[in-house]
Amino acid sequence: IVLTQSPATLSLSLGDRATLSCRASQTGGNNLAWYQQRPAQAPKLLIYDASSRAPGIPDRFSGSGSGTDFTLTISSLEPEDVAVYYCQQGINWPLTFGGGTKVEIK
Amino acid sequence: EVKLLESGGGLAQPGGSLRLSCAASGFAFTDHVMRWVRLAPGKGLEWVATISGDGDTTFYADSVKGRFTISRDNSRNTLSLQMDSLRAEDTAVYYCARLTHYYFDYWGQGTLVAVSS
Repeated sequence: IVLTQSPATLSLSLGDRATLSCRASQTGGNNLAWYQQRPAQAPKLLIYDASSRAPGIPDRFSGSGSGTDFTLTISSLEPEDVAVYYCQQGINWPLTFGGGTKVEIK
Repeated sequence: EVKLLESGGGLAQPGGSLRLSCAASGFAFTDHVMRWVRLAPGKGLEWVATISGDGDTTFYADSVKGRFTISRDNSRNTLSLQMDSLRAEDTAVYYCARLTHYYFDYWGQGTLVAVSS
């Protein structure tokens, strides 16, 4: 399964709403996860099952979608949200990642 | 508390070898599939190798198949990655990660591998 993320880069102002897209080449229910990777840090699980927040994740992060189209939304961008965001499918092995969306502050 | 701590990274020459380790603690190690994932400069996350909880089943990305070997010592709660015939394109930060259901809920801090002459 190929995951295509868009846009490649998102440049927004603090407080803006960020909408990140992940499209799968095959449908597979809601077995999709999102990760945040801040500069020089390890990836961190944000969302699993397309819309469930991982423990400790602020509620400004939300996930939606099913089938082949998924969205990660950051409701109000904070400075610490500057990162690359990856989606990952759980439909079949080898559980691949998308190419990532970089979120930066304008 | 779940912890994953990688070690063993460093500088290697093309064609050389390195062995990475990941020390796991705070959970039942044998209950989880484990994976190595890397982040190369200017690239996205790339899965490298995966191993089942009992160590009997392994998967490799095409880019490392035949050169890298993933293993685990469940008596010592340790995951390893033996990297042989290293290439410049193997330069990356390598992370170990724990699989729960189908997603990776815990990651180590990473260890840097640089391949250069």
